[in-house]
Amino acid sequence: QKEVEQDPGPLSVPEGAIVSLNCTYSNSAFQYFMWYRQYSRKGPELLMYTYSSGNKEDGRFTAQVDKSSKYISLFIRDSQPSDSATYLCAMSGGSNYKLTFGKGTLLTVNP
Amino acid sequence: DVKVTQSSRYLVKRTGEKVFLECVQDMDHENMFWYRQDPGLGLRLIYFSYDVKMKEKGDIPEGYSVSREKKERFSLILESASTNQTSMYLCASSFSGPSTDTQYFGPGTRLTVL
Repeated sequence: QKEVEQDPGPLSVPEGAIVSLNCTYSNSAFQYFMWYRQYSRKGPELLMYTYSSGNKEDGRFTAQVDKSSKYISLFIRDSQPSDSATYLCAMSGGSNYKLTFGKGTLLTVNP
Repeated sequence: DVKVTQSSRYLVKRTGEKVFLECVQDMDHENMFWYRQDPGLGLRLIYFSYDVKMKEKGDIPEGYSVSREKKERFSLILESASTNQTSMYLCASSFSGPSTDTQYFGPGTRLTVL
């Protein structure tokens, strides 16, 4: 079983839709969870950071962590064409500097 | 804002050449990382460094070496480039500490080895 599983998509939605992106993981030591957005031919940029279980909201973006199910989500409300990118989940146990990444989900928001 | 810069956006080299990729960060981060990113394989860690002159192998270190002589600079070296090293190379940096694992990435270098 891979440490982090992420559906690669592609996911195509109309403008204004609510988007749900998800990752599952197997390592119960993970307690720091991140979402990165990567535009084509660019480096990933940090979008959301959460610690342990719970929700965090930032504008149109909401990150959810359910440690009991080992499942994290990113919701995008009122999606825009500018949200079209690859979204990577990442997580760590906080003790060895390294992050474990999902392979990314390619999202296209159509005008 | 954290800034991580990489020496080249695009690079074309020939098989057997020695290739240097350089990364500089301006936030006094202790940790620096080199990844490669390939379609369907995601991000794979090549090497990382948690201090000046310190380095540790990541998941795919074969064919690569690194150098960190100054805190802000981390270099990736391909000793003898091969076509299977054609890839997007990403540098990242982060603070040290249990609650500061967030990594900040550079723009990437797309390397083509002919």
